[in-house]
Amino acid sequence: GAVVSQHPSWVICKSGTSVKIECRSLDFQATTMFWYRQFPKQSLMLMATSNEGSKATYEQGVEKDKFLINHASLTLSTLTVTSAHPEDSSFYICSATPVPQGLNTEAFFGQGTRLTVV
Amino acid sequence: AQKITQTQPGMFVQEKEAVTLDCTYDTSDQSYGLFWYKQPSSGEMIFLIYQGSYDEQNATEGRYSLNFQKARKSANLVISASQLGDSAMYFCAMRDHNAGNNRKLIWGLGTSLAVNP
Repeated sequence: GAVVSQHPSWVICKSGTSVKIECRSLDFQATTMFWYRQFPKQSLMLMATSNEGSKATYEQGVEKDKFLINHASLTLSTLTVTSAHPEDSSFYICSATPVPQGLNTEAFFGQGTRLTVV
Repeated sequence: AQKITQTQPGMFVQEKEAVTLDCTYDTSDQSYGLFWYKQPSSGEMIFLIYQGSYDEQNATEGRYSLNFQKARKSANLVISASQLGDSAMYFCAMRDHNAGNNRKLIWGLGTSLAVNP
């Protein structure tokens, strides 16, 4: 199956610093990628939809200036958590769907990134 | 509005037995797709099975099968011959035309399955 690589798998950073998370589709092109946040024992919460070559679409309540998304190519999207604080500590996971995207197209996920802000 | 409901926060099953994880959905669209994903403690999301709204047969993939009842808007996952490695979170998700061109998925809250030896 298709592969999505997410890096890093875990990161610990100091409060106030920024952290960049990469999501790459290794063997297919993805015009759209999705970024999720997940708290322990909870469901995936969609943060934003990353569109290649255009601005990301953020879900209601997600701070655009805090969670910067860049989809620079058809195989790479990045999420930057700016000025991270302990409350940003969470599991972040990306997904991508090969084009053409039909109703039945499986979403492929990265391995996820466990962010801890100290 | 589109919605996925998983009413079982946690389930237990004895090894080698079958278990059914419930999922009901709501959509005004006639054309939609339903997905089940497994998430072990490692965090990765593993695709299990897909059911299209127009599929006449219930989907099956190895030990996984889907009990699709369109009139009831339910798409329950059946895992047969449970194994210890089946212990994980299970999520039901839906995609319909309301998702727009981006084709985003709507997720249920998940069910935590524990398989007892």
